[in-house]
Amino acid sequence: QSVLTQPPSASGTPGQRVTISCSGSSSNIGSNTVNWYQQLSGTAPKLLIYSNNQRPSGVPDRFSGSKSGTSASLAISGLQSEDEADYYCAAWDDSLNGVFGGGTKLTVL
Amino acid sequence: EVQLVESGGGLVQPGGSLRLSCEASGFTFSSYWMSWVRQAPGKGLEWVANIKQEGSEKYYVDSVKGRFTISRDNAKNSLYLQMNSLRAEDTAVYFCARDVSGSYSLDYWGQGTLVTVSS
Repeated sequence: QSVLTQPPSASGTPGQRVTISCSGSSSNIGSNTVNWYQQLSGTAPKLLIYSNNQRPSGVPDRFSGSKSGTSASLAISGLQSEDEADYYCAAWDDSLNGVFGGGTKLTVL
Repeated sequence: EVQLVESGGGLVQPGGSLRLSCEASGFTFSSYWMSWVRQAPGKGLEWVANIKQEGSEKYYVDSVKGRFTISRDNAKNSLYLQMNSLRAEDTAVYFCARDVSGSYSLDYWGQGTLVTVSS
């Protein structure tokens, strides 16, 4: 059971907009920034969004993040086949632990 | 180019020990927090531990406290994870990662090293 709660799966067709939610608590998302990672099959995770809504260099602006209270979300617009991957939210917890969501498997139909 | 290369994984019996290493290059290693993150086969990501730039602060997930020790040698640009009293549930791919801002934003990851705990 992960500290941060994500839906196990999501799907969309090419060109669609998809959102993935991440629910936490006052000790993690509520008081610290949220990061999102993309993990393609068989590879190491890649930082997609940091500090709630910032994109590292090289990440397309089709990816965006937001946070409100103890929840956060990742939006992917103009869905592409190469976006098929597992997505994880993460945040620091005030109990001095890093926490991840359980991951959301995104399928591009 | 930033590179993180893990080594030291392998097969170990329950109760045994293993030391993982992560060699960093392409950036000023001593300026960054570093983390270990693991992923059990077919499962999600789990943060294991992190360490401050000079090693004065270290934090661990509860399940490894007292068994694992994170350390670093800034002169050798290397991060370590000493794992003792290993259990079957420690079986995972272990990644080292750089924290871009000390806020648990892990911007570069190694390729991972597999640790299998089994008799």
